[in-house]
Amino acid sequence: DSGVTQTPKHLITATGQRVTLRCSPRSGDLSVYWYQQSLDQGLQFLIHYYNGEERAKGNILERFSAQQFPDLHSELNLSSLELGDSALYFCASSVGEGTGQNIQYFGAGTRLSVL
Amino acid sequence: SQQGEEDPQALSIQEGENATMNCSYKTSINNLQWYRQNSGRGLVHLILIRSNEREKHSGRLRVTLDTSKKSSSLLITASRAADTASYFCAKQNTGTASKLTFGTGTRLQVTL
Repeated sequence: DSGVTQTPKHLITATGQRVTLRCSPRSGDLSVYWYQQSLDQGLQFLIHYYNGEERAKGNILERFSAQQFPDLHSELNLSSLELGDSALYFCASSVGEGTGQNIQYFGAGTRLSVL
Repeated sequence: SQQGEEDPQALSIQEGENATMNCSYKTSINNLQWYRQNSGRGLVHLILIRSNEREKHSGRLRVTLDTSKKSSSLLITASRAADTASYFCAKQNTGTASKLTFGTGTRLQVTL
């Protein structure tokens, strides 16, 4: 158990809908990262938050947004869902800001199926 | 798109044998890390090697890094059925701080 909690584990929804994925980082970790894993794109970095502030953005679509709350949990919002958004979404956390030797601890993921 | 590739894409060995996976990358790195993923589950951090290190060990794992060739390898010695998983290298590039860029992964199957 990494200590990173993601909910829900599975999500089935329809095209055009909006969903929210939730992540609680390990106790004491200030950084939260979101990744998408799909068969065709592999593991892609989406976004990084540190202590409530956005620090880095990757290949995140404009239909996707995220935030980190004062209690350090994070939410990833996916809207106007398309079939191609079906994937595993991982949250990871780390102690520091992400610089230096950045070991990230991953949650079990949320499997999103868009039908 | 992902930076670099891993090879082989898939590897099947028998218990007790050694498994070697390779990872290549394109730009300068701060460090390179290896993660394991059991089928459809979260990634587990295995080992981190800094750009100024050439070799690192952790239990049955041995990682090497050749920055001149921009490549790394992961060796698992005396493999066990429980080592069956996908293995990913992840690069932390210089200048992009927090982002980890993952390779395509090697699927390792260890049979009894």
